[in-house]
Amino acid sequence: NAGVMQNPRHLVRRRGQEARLRCSPMKGHSHVYWYRQLPEEGLKFMVYLQKENIIDESGMPKERFSAEFPKEGPSILRIQQVVRGDSAAYFCASSRYGTGLNNEQFFGPGTRLTVL
Amino acid sequence: EDQVTQSPEALRLQEGESSSLNCSYTVSGLRGLFWYRQDPGKGPEFLFTLYSAGEEKEKERLKATLTKKESFLHITAPKPEDSATYLCAVRDSNYQLIWGAGTKLIIKP
Repeated sequence: NAGVMQNPRHLVRRRGQEARLRCSPMKGHSHVYWYRQLPEEGLKFMVYLQKENIIDESGMPKERFSAEFPKEGPSILRIQQVVRGDSAAYFCASSRYGTGLNNEQFFGPGTRLTVL
Repeated sequence: EDQVTQSPEALRLQEGESSSLNCSYTVSGLRGLFWYRQDPGKGPEFLFTLYSAGEEKEKERLKATLTKKESFLHITAPKPEDSATYLCAVRDSNYQLIWGAGTKLIIKP
């Protein structure tokens, strides 16, 4: 049973370009979460999605960042017009349930974004 | 404001030297406390969930305990392969996880 998959693992972009990060949740999981982690810092929540719905995007910057989780295919975190401050590790997690018990989140290996 | 504080920031132990990591929290309506392990360059790996004060869970050399204000991750006779950053997170009365900054554990052979 494959775990959470993310690609690419490493992404290099120049300032002003677009970055697209993909996440395929674990089989049977319909809840997806995106986090950002800077070196030596904790995880910062960005957005929580279910299939075709954004449930909570309170951690997402208002501009340049967007996320989707279509009916078919992976979840996508999109960063437009990247700046150097966007350089970080972006982790995706999935869970079987959104609330209540037994809703542990399982993480992918992350995408390390470097903006030149 | 909901908050999670982990201590110490870093901990160096000799192989076999037992110790504990602390996670103290303030949260409105705790809906679970989670421990994860993160190796360099990898995503966090789920270890334990604790839901109520007095609850304990064990896995190999690790044991997690929970009180109303904090959780401890006890490591008994650690080995070098236990070296990692250990992350604590709490779920509040919504569904969001609030994360601590982690404790970097180094076990020297």
